[in-house]
Amino acid sequence: DIQMTQSPSSLSASVGDRVTITCRASQGIRNDLGWYQQKPGKAPKRLIFAASTLQTGVPSRFSGSGSVTEFTLTISSLQPEDFATYYCLQHNTYPPWTFGQGTKVEIK
Amino acid sequence: QVQLVQSGAEVKKPGASVKVSCKASGYTFTSYDINWVRQATGQGLEWMGWMNPNRGNTGYAQKFQGRVTMTRNTSISTAYMELSSLKSEDTAIYYCARGGNITPEYWGQGTLVTVSS
Repeated sequence: DIQMTQSPSSLSASVGDRVTITCRASQGIRNDLGWYQQKPGKAPKRLIFAASTLQTGVPSRFSGSGSVTEFTLTISSLQPEDFATYYCLQHNTYPPWTFGQGTKVEIK
Repeated sequence: QVQLVQSGAEVKKPGASVKVSCKASGYTFTSYDINWVRQATGQGLEWMGWMNPNRGNTGYAQKFQGRVTMTRNTSISTAYMELSSLKSEDTAIYYCARGGNITPEYWGQGTLVTVSS
């Protein structure tokens, strides 16, 4: 199975900061990757699919990039409502789905 | 609009089984796989397995092989996930999600299963 290594596991940032989260796949997955935001007690919310396509309704400060094995989620200017946990998910070899370990974004 | 509505919270004793339902609406139930994902408190997302509602075929993560069964009732557009021989480590929120070889957009609201003596 493909392994997804997500980093960092947590970060502290201030409102207005630029934040970058990375996922690395253990083998090539083309662009079969998405990013999710999860807040406590809620289901994951899709932000990005196909590595770089922004979900309708998601603010443009979120962006995704990368392909094959290296992927990045960037929040260009962190807002108070962005404090949450973020996950990547690969579906290239579905089944299974494989998630990254998650990145908790906390207030500095 | 597409919705996946799950059954309510459950409390079970160790060794028991639990069956969680996921009722789909707003689309043709048999057109998309249903996957199950769980999340222990404070932990990450863990894929459990998939089911094709059209054919009923399934596949499970090795970790859950022999303990999990995914079924469906197409007449009421509902998928089920049954987990047996429950242990305290199975205490988690269980989610259903629509999709296969895609980044799933639609998720159920989650069902908390608590395993406690």
